Amino acid sequence: SQTIHQWPATLVQPVGSPLSLECTVEGTSNPNLYWYRQAAGRGLQLLFYSVGIGQISSEVPQNLSASRPQDRQFILSSKKLLLSDSGFYLCAWSVLAGDWGSYEQYFGPGTRLTVT
Amino acid sequence: GQNIDQPTEMTATEGAIVQINCTYQTSGFNGLFWYQQHAGEAPTFLSYNVLDGLEEKGRFSSFLSRSKGYSYLLLKELQMKDSASYLCAAEALEGKLIFGQGTELSVKP
Repeated sequence: SQTIHQWPATLVQPVGSPLSLECTVEGTSNPNLYWYRQAAGRGLQLLFYSVGIGQISSEVPQNLSASRPQDRQFILSSKKLLLSDSGFYLCAWSVLAGDWGSYEQYFGPGTRLTVT
Repeated sequence: GQNIDQPTEMTATEGAIVQINCTYQTSGFNGLFWYQQHAGEAPTFLSYNVLDGLEEKGRFSSFLSRSKGYSYLLLKELQMKDSASYLCAAEALEGKLIFGQGTELSVKP
């Protein structure tokens, strides 16, 4: 079965410090991978998605970046964190499912980031 | 534009039935997801509708009307543990999900 890992689970970082969050998926090949952010009391916002190694699409301009160095690894980074970067960061994966050309998507456990 | 609308909060009684509605407007629509999210946790997958009609999974059912841009999640025999936020998400191109703000459901004894 497929599993998705994220680490760290929680993180407290000062403003201006760098960030690296990692996500890995097991039990599947060539998944689509996604980074979402959920601010306190708000819905999920798609940040980045990747359909393959080295292929990254950004949905929202910001001071974050993403990379996919391996098929099942997705990394979210920042060179200098802002207070507004605080939130719950969720990695998700999906693969083509069924006969309809559509994707079922599952989330990792998330990383709760607090920028102080 | 892309827009997902669902009620902000709902309250229901233990043992009752509740229906959470969602309307959507997106480009390249593939299907409609429902997720459950307890406070402080990641969303967990509940259902996925591609075709029009009702999909039933135990106490939870989900309905989709593509022509009306409308879906609902039906929860039967409510339990206290069903108190959570319920997220409606429309799937756009390449599996990208557009989320609503979530419906906070409170189940009272």
